[in-house]
Amino acid sequence: NAGVTQTPKFQVLKTGQSMTLQCAQDMNHEYMSWYRQDPGMGLRLIHYSVGAGITDQGEVPNGYNVSRSTTEDFPLRLLSAAPSQTSVYFCASSPFGAKDTEAFFGQGTRLTVV
Amino acid sequence: AQKITQTQPGMFVQEKEAVTLDCTYDTSDPSYGLFWYKQPSSGEMIFLIYQGSYDQQNATEGRYSLNFQKARKSANLVISASQLGDSAMYFCAMRGEQAGTALIFGKGTTLSVSS
Repeated sequence: NAGVTQTPKFQVLKTGQSMTLQCAQDMNHEYMSWYRQDPGMGLRLIHYSVGAGITDQGEVPNGYNVSRSTTEDFPLRLLSAAPSQTSVYFCASSPFGAKDTEAFFGQGTRLTVV
Repeated sequence: AQKITQTQPGMFVQEKEAVTLDCTYDTSDPSYGLFWYKQPSSGEMIFLIYQGSYDQQNATEGRYSLNFQKARKSANLVISASQLGDSAMYFCAMRGEQAGTALIFGKGTTLSVSS
């Protein structure tokens, strides 16, 4: 069982470059989300989706775009990377509307912007 | 808006001792879920325990228990008989009642277990 798969695991970008962090889940979960983790800040929500074609902003959405064309995939796009986007990024999924169900996390992507 | 507060940046405990990691929360939802996750140095997020706001009993999972005090809005994690492998970052999180609400995290507590 793959669960939630994130690629790549590590990435170094130059300021101004663009890239897409991939996230795929095979559990047929409607709800998917992206978090960033910075030292001392916990996990902060970037964007989330409650189903294919539906996305919304979280706490720290600036500089990131998302789309959800299928249930399985929820890519996160950085259009013009900045050093402030150096972070560890986590993708998570869970069944929709289930407040008592934990989120399942990917392994994370460590991104460095130089 | 929902908020999770973890006031202990770091905690230290000896092996085989019990330790309590604090978590307080704020929400206007009448129904919500509270979660604890463990993040070891390898980086993955591991789900530990869940408590529903209407659950009558405190949740337990092996050596983990959740001391839920609804009136005080606290959901402390108790780890009994600490092991070296418990050394990790621990996050408290909550999700509101409304369908599709996000899981909101606290800033975490780093637990160090020594022999």
